[in-house]
Amino acid sequence: DVKVTQSSRYLVKRTGEKVFLECVQDMDHENMFWYRQDPGLGLRLIYFSYDVKMKEKGDIPEGYSVSREKKERFSLILESASTNQTSMYLCASSLWTGDSGNTIYFGEGSWLTVV
Amino acid sequence: GENVEQHPSTLSVQEGDSAVIKCTYSDSASNYFPWYKQELGKGPQLIIDIRSNVGEKKDQRIAVTLNKTAKHFSLHITETQPEDSAVYFCAASIGAQKLVFGQGTRLTINP
Repeated sequence: DVKVTQSSRYLVKRTGEKVFLECVQDMDHENMFWYRQDPGLGLRLIYFSYDVKMKEKGDIPEGYSVSREKKERFSLILESASTNQTSMYLCASSLWTGDSGNTIYFGEGSWLTVV
Repeated sequence: GENVEQHPSTLSVQEGDSAVIKCTYSDSASNYFPWYKQELGKGPQLIIDIRSNVGEKKDQRIAVTLNKTAKHFSLHITETQPEDSAVYFCAASIGAQKLVFGQGTRLTINP
């Protein structure tokens, strides 16, 4: 089975802190994603990556950055956390085959509270 | 860009009855439509998907229908069971990778 592991399930950080959310997948997938989930808004794409050292902005990239130094690892960085970034963050990965509609696999989520 | 609308936001049905969740999308170029189920405290998991060259797909008690002309697709769950209680998300994508999600439906199955 595909496994997407988010190392931190629950975090509490102070406003202004730098926050790292780490994600590792074990299926050699090319594509990795970070989504944010908020009630009534569904899942919104923050950043994604098609390859090592490659990144592209999603729909809500402001206040976030990412790093992909190795194929299996994709990190989400909050440079200066703010209270409006309190949310559930979901990492995901998928295989690149060139066709449409490859299954995206999600991790269990990281609940971040910024106080 | 693509926009996906999902209805209803909450749905409560009696055990054994059917549940239907509907989504509409805006971009006629979208060609992949998955449905995800999210249980409490877990990440979303794919339960069924459909591609634009197919009108309907079934997997046991779950079925999805797609109307490309009207740009809407629906999830049908028959003979509902308590374990079907969860939040369900529809999504649409253009091309290979980037999914746009609906707002989610909280389904409750009443015993």
